[in-house]
Amino acid sequence: AQSVSQHNHHVILSEAASLELGCNYSYGGTVNLFWYVQYPGQHLQLLLKYFSGDPLVKGIKGFEAEFIKSKFSFNLRKPSVQWSDTAEYFCAVISDNAGNMLTFGGGTRLMVKP
Amino acid sequence: NAGVMQNPRHLVRRRGQEARLRCSPMKGHSHVYWYRQLPEEGLKFMVYLQKENIIDESGMPKERFSAEFPKEGPSILRIQQVVRGDSAAYFCASSWEGRGLGELFFGEGSRLTVL
Repeated sequence: AQSVSQHNHHVILSEAASLELGCNYSYGGTVNLFWYVQYPGQHLQLLLKYFSGDPLVKGIKGFEAEFIKSKFSFNLRKPSVQWSDTAEYFCAVISDNAGNMLTFGGGTRLMVKP
Repeated sequence: NAGVMQNPRHLVRRRGQEARLRCSPMKGHSHVYWYRQLPEEGLKFMVYLQKENIIDESGMPKERFSAEFPKEGPSILRIQQVVRGDSAAYFCASSWEGRGLGELFFGEGSRLTVL
């Protein structure tokens, strides 16, 4: 079965700091990868997704993620965070060995200090 | 287009009562997914439905939980004889394409508190 690990449960950064959130998945077959964000009191929104092609994916609000197949990773990055990036971030994977159900990681709570 | 609509946003029940959570998918979407988020945990898949069909309920507890998506009306997640451990946020998502091949659009969630 597919599993997704987000190693950082809580991250605190100052504005303008660089961000990298780790995401690793367990299955080595065909996968589609996603990052979702949940701002306080709001629903989950899609930040970016990778299906195929260029492993460096650009998303909304200046976020990007890199798919490294050999490392089973899909880390999320942003060069300079803002206070408004305070939210919870979820990595998610669809794989062909899990009925193509979207499997989420445990989430990372990011707090950006002004 | 209106997004995925869930109601109620907050529901309080006493142990042993029933909880019904409703989800109206985005217009044009015929695939509905329910996820549960326990405190300090990620989202766990519960069930995937299409109109009048349960496609995958591998994440649903075997007892007390049921889900439906009738031909008319919203999808309903029903929890009978609730216990304190059922307290969680329940999120509904919908998609145009099935099996998660397309983007899932999430509702704002229904937060169930069992006293």
